Amino acid sequence: GNSVTQMEGPVTLSEEAFLTINCTYTATGYPSLFWYVQYPGEGLQLLLKATKADDKGSNKGFEATYRKETTSFHLEKGSVQVSDSAVYFCALKRNDYKLSFGAGTTVTVRA
Amino acid sequence: SAVISQKPSRDICQRGTSLTIQCQVDSQVTMMFWYRQQPGQSLTLIATANQGSEATYESGFVIDKFPISRPNLTFSTLTVSNMSPEDSSIYLCSPETPGQEQFFGPGTRLTVL
Repeated sequence: GNSVTQMEGPVTLSEEAFLTINCTYTATGYPSLFWYVQYPGEGLQLLLKATKADDKGSNKGFEATYRKETTSFHLEKGSVQVSDSAVYFCALKRNDYKLSFGAGTTVTVRA
Repeated sequence: SAVISQKPSRDICQRGTSLTIQCQVDSQVTMMFWYRQQPGQSLTLIATANQGSEATYESGFVIDKFPISRPNLTFSTLTVSNMSPEDSSIYLCSPETPGQEQFFGPGTRLTVL
């Protein structure tokens, strides 16, 4: 079946630190991959996406590359800010348009 | 991207009662997905609603507990029936989109006492 395994949190960082959140997936075929972000008290926002192998999604300084050989889609940001404190979800989109989500990783950035 | 609205944005309900959540999209969509996010948890798909046919439910969710209506291509409702505290969650609708992106409504935050 289709599933997403995401790095356990919580993650606490200082400002300007490097952030990596690991995400691996199991899927039949070639799913699309997403990172969503949920800021405190807010709804779910699409952060970035990649639809095929070797695609790199990027937004707001975050990047993730679709690695078919390692079935991974790790999220990275070179220099985090306090405003990046949020819960991050990795997700894959199946052929039937349904999304499977990872467990979510809570990131706290301290000034 | 589509503009998605949900009503109510939040509610506090007594156990044993029911709440109907509305989802409105500013464009016509074939499929509407309903998700649940329990406190501190990830999102779980409840059901898929197509206009003109019965909704299809994921494992662990049943129509008697979560009846869904889909009267037209821009609107859907999800009812949480006979509520218990375990139903306290954020409920989100998500319309199918022609591109790869999948967007979500702002959510309905439900607390059951």
